[in-house]
Amino acid sequence: ELKVEQNPLFLSMQEGKNYTIYCNYSTTSDRLYWYRQDPGKSLESLFVLLSNGAVKQEGRLMASLDTKARLSTLHITAAVHDLSATYFCAVDGGATNKLIFGTGTLLAVQP
Amino acid sequence: DTGVSQNPRHKITKRGQNVTFRCDPISEHNRLYWYRQTLGQGPEFLTYFQNEAQLEKSRLLSDRFSAERPKGSFSTLEIQRTEQGDSAMYLCASSLGGSVYNEQFFGPGTRLTVL
Repeated sequence: ELKVEQNPLFLSMQEGKNYTIYCNYSTTSDRLYWYRQDPGKSLESLFVLLSNGAVKQEGRLMASLDTKARLSTLHITAAVHDLSATYFCAVDGGATNKLIFGTGTLLAVQP
Repeated sequence: DTGVSQNPRHKITKRGQNVTFRCDPISEHNRLYWYRQTLGQGPEFLTYFQNEAQLEKSRLLSDRFSAERPKGSFSTLEIQRTEQGDSAMYLCASSLGGSVYNEQFFGPGTRLTVL
């Protein structure tokens, strides 16, 4: 059974600091996704990573994928308050491409 | 708005009642997924449609749950004889088959509260 783990579960950081969220998954998968969720809202797609060594960047967020280690990272550079949200990684779960989600990382950026 | 829409956005019901939710996917998307999310957890897969065919159902989908996608357009998720444990956010997502990314776009969700 494909399992996805994220850490940390909660991250409190100061504005201007850098940090990384880690996503490990248990079996081989073709695609890895990062989503953002604001409180009471739905999920917003951030990145889709397909291949080993893939790196994508959007603003202060950068995602990378190491398929051999079954590890993806979401790096936050010079955090700002607007980045406060819950971040989920999800892995393609096979033939129907259903998504298997991690437990999420609640990011709180303090001024 | 050309995104995924869901109705109602909120539903409060009493235990034992039946409820039905609707999802309208992005118009050209042939793939449709239902997920359930409880507080503090990531979404969990419930069921998948490709066009009008329901091709996968999770073990989470008990006999009280049924989903349809007539004509491969909108989809409905019905819960019969609701229980308090059914309280959750029900999310619908759609994607375009054949895309290398298979990026799923989520609707705003229906929040169900069972009293």
